[in-house]
Amino acid sequence: DGGITQSPKYLFRKEGQNVTLSCEQNLNHDAMYWYRQDPGQGLRLIYYSQIVNDFQKGDIAEGYSVSREKKESFPLTVTSAQKNPTAFYLCASSDMGRETQYFGPGTRLLVL
Amino acid sequence: GENVEQHPSTLSVQEGDSAVIKCTYSDSASNYFPWYKQELGKRPQLIIDIRSNVGEKKDQRIAVTLNKTAKHFSLHITETQPEDSAVYFCAASSSSTGRRALTFGSGTRLQVQP
Repeated sequence: DGGITQSPKYLFRKEGQNVTLSCEQNLNHDAMYWYRQDPGQGLRLIYYSQIVNDFQKGDIAEGYSVSREKKESFPLTVTSAQKNPTAFYLCASSDMGRETQYFGPGTRLLVL
Repeated sequence: GENVEQHPSTLSVQEGDSAVIKCTYSDSASNYFPWYKQELGKRPQLIIDIRSNVGEKKDQRIAVTLNKTAKHFSLHITETQPEDSAVYFCAASSSSTGRRALTFGSGTRLQVQP
């Protein structure tokens, strides 16, 4: 777990603004994931990437975008098209061929 | 796609008692079932996992059982302690689809009363 970092810890978004959440890992993991967690609910998959320069939509990708230019980095942009972005965002990673996922500490996004 | 149902949503037990949380899944191709513990405001931490080629796995006070035919799996915590109080999530994934991402249950809030 200590090998996955997310920043910032808290992020405030104004209406109409795009914001980017950072996720970095030094575990040499191939796969990275973004999940959204709403209060009292489970985690829902936004996007995932199994190799550099490739990523796939998850179950709730609308209003979000990602890039995977480096193996260790998988930033998530919450666009103005996401009308209800307030949530706890969790990044995870796993090694190729292994299902076990390890989570970062999360970013809490709030709307002003 | 996969759907994971988790019950109960809240569970209160006395210290020293056992706690059982149950999950069902819909995709028969799912073959990996982890359990995570999440304390308030923290990241989910993997506590135990099981793969579809085994029926039961134990780690000290924690055990997980899997019934592939019925498509359900359960978490058992024995001799519960106050520090076991947290939200527990089950999840499922399938390596055969190539997606590998986890589908989570909605969580169980476990409260252990001293």
